[in-house]
Amino acid sequence: DTAVSQTPKYLVTQMGNDKSIKCEQNLGHDTMYWYKQDSKKFLKIMFSYNNKELIINETVPNRFSPKSPDKAHLNLHINSLELGDSAVYFCASSQEGRREGRSFFGPGTRLTVL
Amino acid sequence: QKEVEQDPGPLSVPEGAIVSLNCTYSNSAFQYFMWYRQYSRKGPELLMYTYSSGNKEDGRFTAQVDKSSKYISLFIRDSQPSDSATYLCAMEKGNFNKFYFGSGTKLNVKP
Repeated sequence: DTAVSQTPKYLVTQMGNDKSIKCEQNLGHDTMYWYKQDSKKFLKIMFSYNNKELIINETVPNRFSPKSPDKAHLNLHINSLELGDSAVYFCASSQEGRREGRSFFGPGTRLTVL
Repeated sequence: QKEVEQDPGPLSVPEGAIVSLNCTYSNSAFQYFMWYRQYSRKGPELLMYTYSSGNKEDGRFTAQVDKSSKYISLFIRDSQPSDSATYLCAMEKGNFNKFYFGSGTKLNVKP
């Protein structure tokens, strides 16, 4: 069973379009994240949700809107896609308060904006 | 300036070599230190997690933290071709599991 799953795995779209990426975790964790990894492999946190509440919102354009319908799901909607949004987006989850630093990452969604 | 600095490599070593991977950081608020391994086109997976200064060993891997110098290291003994991956250091200040990642070092272990 996949611990953290993301769909789609690949997403190719035109500038200006709106797209969504879905994430689900079956680990019973209470915290979920979205990270962006650029072409130089730099991984940067975008958002963090704890029990469906937004707790981290980094300096991300408001074209990016996370939505957490329940604590097992954290989706990412992106409006008016731009060339610079091309990257790999990783969803992750962890259990708040557990200090082993064990964030489980999904396989990533490779977004290409043309 | 990034809060966590890591040499991107690539680092190429022969099989069986000892590998040393390093990160430096500028913020003394970091308390928890991690190393992740990321294979090509996969998500990062946790290798090592440390809190205090000193060494922590797990099989062929040793994580070292020097808080006074703001410097962390990961040593891989008897490196194998299967260790070929990008290694990311990560740090946390102790709240909300917000991790700051290094840019990753690409390691290639040649058979």
